Amino acid sequence: QSALTQPASVSGSPGQSITISCTGTSSDIGSYNLVSWYQQHPGKAPKLMIFEDSKRPSGVSNRFSGSKSGSTASLTVSGLQAEDEADYYCCSYASSRTLIFGGGTKLTVL
Amino acid sequence: QVQLQESGPRLVKPSETLSLTCTVSGYSITNGYYWGWVRQPPGKGLEWIGSIDSSGRTYHNPSLKSQITISVDTSKNQFSLRLSSVTASDTAVYYCARNPHIWDGAQATLYYLDSWGQGILVTVSS
Repeated sequence: QSALTQPASVSGSPGQSITISCTGTSSDIGSYNLVSWYQQHPGKAPKLMIFEDSKRPSGVSNRFSGSKSGSTASLTVSGLQAEDEADYYCCSYASSRTLIFGGGTKLTVL
Repeated sequence: QVQLQESGPRLVKPSETLSLTCTVSGYSITNGYYWGWVRQPPGKGLEWIGSIDSSGRTYHNPSLKSQITISVDTSKNQFSLRLSSVTASDTAVYYCARNPHIWDGAQATLYYLDSWGQGILVTVSS
């Protein structure tokens, strides 16, 4: 199974919005509404930010939103804040009955 | 509130077996959910290793399947990972996490990982 494809890095200024893409195939993202997104600060465990493509867990800011079109999922962070600077990973269920992660995207708040 | 804690040796010799345990508190592992392992080599991305439910039904990353044994001990509210014949490339932070699912016929569809342990760095070196 191949990793999902994410850009290595994105950046934005405080207050702006950014979008991170996550591209898969018809065997994973394209077949299931099961994309999740995780935020990871240095030295910390990942934190679930989005599940089932676009749902937010309790306690996650509504500045974070998820969407999907075909085999590409996206995470949008609006109103960027310094604390949003972190690595972000997408993940999808696949037809092989496995979970596949993306390679990760480093978000820099300028 | 569910909490997970990884434990085990932090240094393993090449060709030996890495063994880790995840202790779950604040929630009984027999009350549903799958329970998963994820690893992250230093400076690299996340890799799902596998998941298990309280009945011992497992799903594994096919790239690691020959090395992996995942087991559960409901009496201790723990689940464990064994990774055999390790090499330096198995050096990583290992995380355990709760893994919601639904039943799809006779098999499980794994959803996401909603609660994570803090992780444990395991180094493979002689």
